[in-house]
Amino acid sequence: DADVTQTPRNRITKTGKRIMLECSQTKGHDRMYWYRQDPGLGLRLIYYSFDVKDINKGEISDGYSVSRQAQAKFSLSLESAIPNQTALYFCATGRTGDTQYFGPGTRLTVL
Amino acid sequence: GENVEQHPSTLSVQEGDSAVIKCTYSDSASNYFPWYKQELGKRPQLIIDIRSNVGEKKDQRIAVTLNKTAKHFSLHITETQPEDSAVYFCAASLRDDKIIFGKGTRLHILP
Repeated sequence: DADVTQTPRNRITKTGKRIMLECSQTKGHDRMYWYRQDPGLGLRLIYYSFDVKDINKGEISDGYSVSRQAQAKFSLSLESAIPNQTALYFCATGRTGDTQYFGPGTRLTVL
Repeated sequence: GENVEQHPSTLSVQEGDSAVIKCTYSDSASNYFPWYKQELGKRPQLIIDIRSNVGEKKDQRIAVTLNKTAKHFSLHITETQPEDSAVYFCAASLRDDKIIFGKGTRLHILP
């Protein structure tokens, strides 16, 4: 679904580095989400935003921060990356009470 | 906190047979239940969803049933084909309008 894009698609970094993952959408949705996927653990919510001025923590927000720069853009930052943040990260967008559409994912490796 | 339990974690069925994946949820206010399919290396994509005002929904070989009293919902795939091999996630909406995911079922279609 090219309407939701993520950059970069793959990133290898070192412990202690600051990393930013970016998400953009052209679907016109008000809601945006960041998830983390680890094998056997499903999709866990990191942060979510219901509009530009609204930011909320999900179930695993420690070690992460976000910025909603515009309705179409939602960035996830790791201020000081650590190895257990190695995972597949997905951005998603949606409307109230409706399904979510996922971006292609960013595979992050922290050495 | 609220959660969604999904079973089984792995399921192998012979091609042509049916597959059933079951989920239970804890938030009595949940009223939207999507199912996602994730192929290897790809993003999760919606395959079917159901809202709490109906008990069953079908789309070709896929059907979903919902029992609100028991807080159960299930995905049924009939006449399985090799391309059905993937990881399937159930999900449920929460009263604060987030969506919470099950941990996934890896479905193998055997030749």
